[in-house]
Amino acid sequence: QVQLQESGPGLVKPSQTLSLTCTVSGDSMSSGGHYWTWTRQPTGKGLEWIGHIDPRGSTKYNSSLKSRVTISIDTSKNQFSVTLKSVTAADTAVYYCARSSSQENYYFDYWGQGTLVTVSP
Amino acid sequence: QSVLTQPPSVSGTPGQRITISCTGSRSDLGAGYDVHWYLHLPETAPKLLIFGNNNRPSGVPPRFSGSKSGTSASLSIAGLQAEDEADYYCQSYDNSLSGSTVFGTGTKVTVL
Repeated sequence: QVQLQESGPGLVKPSQTLSLTCTVSGDSMSSGGHYWTWTRQPTGKGLEWIGHIDPRGSTKYNSSLKSRVTISIDTSKNQFSVTLKSVTAADTAVYYCARSSSQENYYFDYWGQGTLVTVSP
Repeated sequence: QSVLTQPPSVSGTPGQRITISCTGSRSDLGAGYDVHWYLHLPETAPKLLIFGNNNRPSGVPPRFSGSKSGTSASLSIAGLQAEDEADYYCQSYDNSLSGSTVFGTGTKVTVL
């Protein structure tokens, strides 16, 4: 059974950098066939796609976040990470990592439980 | 980039059939991209209900069904149950600008 688990600080100060890691078990990230993704849900709002990375390190990002976000992968540790620079209160959200199929119009088949990140002084 | 539009809320009584709509545009559903559907309970991982317009993953009961036509899609839940009370999201791909995965605005289903 594929499982994903997010980890990282739950509180980040405004203007600083948010960093989260997703640890994957039950699947080898280096085997290919999937993208590894991040999505968030601001409090009281809907889901927002952040971006994805493939096992070779190729990335694609939401254009609204592209200037501030980086997704990286470490297949030796079966982990991938997201960093978001210059955060504001608008970045307060539950952040989810998920596995997706690897076509352009992919779907998310396994998700982490999510982790709440609050941006506050 | 586009956002797929869903009704904010839909309600029904136990046993009833309800339908949730998802309206897109020429750059997403209208461009032929598939729609996928998720069930989301607070503080839990979203769950894939339908992929590729009308396909159910293993373990999803057949009372959940999906369809798509043109720039619109829908999720139907037959034999509504109390446990179906949750938020539901559609998701697809938008090929405008550099391309992006997009979610619907979400629908809260209430079982009366």
